[in-house]
Amino acid sequence: QKEVEQNSGPLSVPEGAIASLNCTYSDRGSQSFFWYRQYSGKSPELIMFIYSNGDKEDGRFTAQLNKASQYVSLLIRDSQPSDSATYLCAVKGSNYQLIWGAGTKLIIKP
Amino acid sequence: EAGVAQSPRYKIIEKRQSVAFWCNPISGHATLYWYQQILGQGPKLLIQFQNNGVVDDSQLPKDRFSAERLKGVDSTLKIQPAKLEDSAVYLCASSLAGLDQPQHFGDGTRLSIL
Repeated sequence: QKEVEQNSGPLSVPEGAIASLNCTYSDRGSQSFFWYRQYSGKSPELIMFIYSNGDKEDGRFTAQLNKASQYVSLLIRDSQPSDSATYLCAVKGSNYQLIWGAGTKLIIKP
Repeated sequence: EAGVAQSPRYKIIEKRQSVAFWCNPISGHATLYWYQQILGQGPKLLIQFQNNGVVDDSQLPKDRFSAERLKGVDSTLKIQPAKLEDSAVYLCASSLAGLDQPQHFGDGTRLSIL
């Protein structure tokens, strides 16, 4: 059973600080990794995707991928209250199926 | 660019009744997905279409759920008969063809079974 694991949280971070969200996956052959943000009562919204080991930056967001350790993380710099949401990690495995984590609830405290 | 359109936004039915959801993907997106999301969980793929063909329906409860995408554009998902455990948000997503294309979601249909 291929799995994607996330800490359910809630993760509470002060406004202006760095929020760090982590995701581990079991399928060593996974190639594509996606982070989605989901506000309460809304549908998931793509934030970033990463395919290669290392870091990928987009504005305040940085995705980090370490295939050897089978984890992918999302860093949010200068966290804002509007960043409060559930963050879903999704991993496309070696069979090309997209496996979703259950999400981490992030709360940014003003 | 118009996003993924879904209707209805909300639906309340009694158990054993039937219900249908509609989805119109982003123009040009060959791949269409239906997901079920239960509160507090990640989305669960029910069915994936590539144009009008089914790519993956391994998690679709085929005794009660059906889906079609006859002309390779819009799609309908039906539940008949509904059970209490079908209460969830039903999300439609679409993507360009290709293995690593990100998915874009509609607003979803919130289904409540009484």
